[in-house]
Amino acid sequence: IAGITQAPTSQILAAGRRMTLRCTQDMRHNAMYWYRQDLGLGLRLIHYSNTAGTTGKGEVPDGYSVSRANTDDFPLTLASAVPSQTSVYFCASSDSTGPYNEQFFGPGTRLTVL
Amino acid sequence: GQNIDQPTEMTATEGAIVQINCTYQTSGFNGLFWYQQHAGEAPTFLSYNVLDGLEEKGRFSSFLSRSKGYSYLLLKELQMKDSASYLCAALDSNYQLIWGAGTKLIIKP
Repeated sequence: IAGITQAPTSQILAAGRRMTLRCTQDMRHNAMYWYRQDLGLGLRLIHYSNTAGTTGKGEVPDGYSVSRANTDDFPLTLASAVPSQTSVYFCASSDSTGPYNEQFFGPGTRLTVL
Repeated sequence: GQNIDQPTEMTATEGAIVQINCTYQTSGFNGLFWYQQHAGEAPTFLSYNVLDGLEEKGRFSSFLSRSKGYSYLLLKELQMKDSASYLCAALDSNYQLIWGAGTKLIIKP
């Protein structure tokens, strides 16, 4: 089934540990995004990639890094996790940036940093 | 700054009609999206408006007024499965989505 997969589904992590959240899409979409969703707040963009080989910073990039080595994969790394990074993380993709391009979301990763 | 406002929570009765409002202020504007998100699940696309007016899609309709910075999502013949959060998002001049916090819609029998 075409779509976006994320791994892990959930994770409990000790503060200070390094963690990589995985995201893979099979729709050959050019653009990919990482969001975090916290209670009472809208989705906030962490990093994005308009096409393979390029990345950009979103609204809340500090403490996170991404890479886009190919079209399908867009991993998000927390170099040294802190409790404020406890959140639900969604990966999304769209055919391209610009109008009319809806974003498709993965199922999310629920991360708890203790 | 950029801002999206929508009510936090609304309650409606099964079979009725409900209108969820959204106002936006963004740096440039390239359209307005509505997404549905059931608890514990990912957001899914409902509608996109870039021109003024009403777009109808089955039981759901979405309206946009660019001059007023205003949109609404209209849900008709409400069903229990419509209980979800509804997210409003505006596409700014950099083609990035600015998201509202979402409106939790509770449907009562």
